[in-house]
Amino acid sequence: GENVEQHPSTLSVQEGDSAVIKCTYSDSASNYFPWYKQELGKGPQLIIDIRSNVGEKKDQRIAVTLNKTAKHFSLHITETQPEDSAVYFCAARAVRNFNKFYFGSGTKLNVKP
Amino acid sequence: DARVTQTPRDKVTEMGQEVTMRCQPILGHNTVFWYRQTMKQGLELLAYFRNRAPLDDSGMPKDRFSAEMPDATLATLKIQPSEPRDSAVYFCASGMSGGNTEAFFGQGTRLTVV
Repeated sequence: GENVEQHPSTLSVQEGDSAVIKCTYSDSASNYFPWYKQELGKGPQLIIDIRSNVGEKKDQRIAVTLNKTAKHFSLHITETQPEDSAVYFCAARAVRNFNKFYFGSGTKLNVKP
Repeated sequence: DARVTQTPRDKVTEMGQEVTMRCQPILGHNTVFWYRQTMKQGLELLAYFRNRAPLDDSGMPKDRFSAEMPDATLATLKIQPSEPRDSAVYFCASGMSGGNTEAFFGQGTRLTVV
């Protein structure tokens, strides 16, 4: 089955700096990679996603890159703000396994004012 | 504003009691996922339904957990009997099968078994 690994588990940055979270996946057939943000006491919310036919996608301060050959994808947040503080999860959708979502272990991002 | 609705938000129960968690998926979505979130294990997939049929429940302890979709607007997750190790936040998510579409999560049910 699919296996998604995520690093780092915690990340602390100064407001205004950039933050990068990295994920790797194992199943080359996986073709959809969403990123979720989870705030305290809430469910994960999609913030950006990328499909396997695209190498990069950007939405304002957040961007995601995908390297299919190396089977890794990354989330980039620029000009971080305190409200970006949350837990971020990457996921891969496994085509070979009923299109199930497999999640990384999460990264707790702390943006210091 | 379409959203996945989960009830109850919080549940405290004694060990051995039956617990039922409910989920109303977004209207029109044909896939439903149940996830359990703990600090130790992260987000674990317990069950997955498509068009109300269970596709995969391999992540669910079969002896005490059961998941059903009585109709397209309701998914349930039951634990009987509950144990302290079941304490976690349980999330329901819904989406559309086929293609590359996201899963929309509910707010979760925080279960505490004492």
